[in-house]
Amino acid sequence: DAKTTQPNSMESNEEEPVHLPCNHSTISGTDYIHWYRQLPSQGPEYVIHGLTSNVNNRMASLAIAEDRKSSTLILHRATLRDAAVYYCLLNSGGYQKVTFGTGTKLQVIP
Amino acid sequence: NAGVMQNPRHLVRRRGQEARLRCSPMKGHSHVYWYRQLPEEGLKFMVYLQKENIIDESGMPKERFSAEFPKEGPSILRIQQVVRGDSAAYFCASSPGIAGEETQYFGPGTRLLVL
Repeated sequence: DAKTTQPNSMESNEEEPVHLPCNHSTISGTDYIHWYRQLPSQGPEYVIHGLTSNVNNRMASLAIAEDRKSSTLILHRATLRDAAVYYCLLNSGGYQKVTFGTGTKLQVIP
Repeated sequence: NAGVMQNPRHLVRRRGQEARLRCSPMKGHSHVYWYRQLPEEGLKFMVYLQKENIIDESGMPKERFSAEFPKEGPSILRIQQVVRGDSAAYFCASSPGIAGEETQYFGPGTRLLVL
């Protein structure tokens, strides 16, 4: 069962920032928070991950709440190519499977 | 470094036939995961394998489905006596290790259509 909850869908205007929320209230101390996205007709691709501190990379930023029970993926300037389903998931490592939830379908409006 | 490769990309089978899906992980990756995705749904975990070992097959149907990851060669997901409900996209992913910060690298998927 998925250990994260996300809104089913969100909309954003092109070139505006997008904040995609994820709740993970049962997160454990060893769980890393990962984000993937899946463009139409493609396999998922890695976006970003973090443990406690906020993280930035060339694709996005990840803001993690102080209690770690929620996180937010931030796309600083949405483009049409960012239209995808975004998945938030937890990975504690070891021989543990990761579970993808239903994700958030992001629509970018020109 | 080539990414995760899957073949075939599209596969059409008639009911009762066998489907064999192949996955070549990224170079240096010894952990392979298979997922199934029905239309308009999320990815469902099926099986996690390490070289020559099945680590977790809790997401795989008990009958007709099997998976292997031999010492040499690609990982194979085998579906015997396919039924229409098996029509889906099957994705393979690989990772270099099992630490919590390890990411999974996905292939382009095999789209299976059962007539």
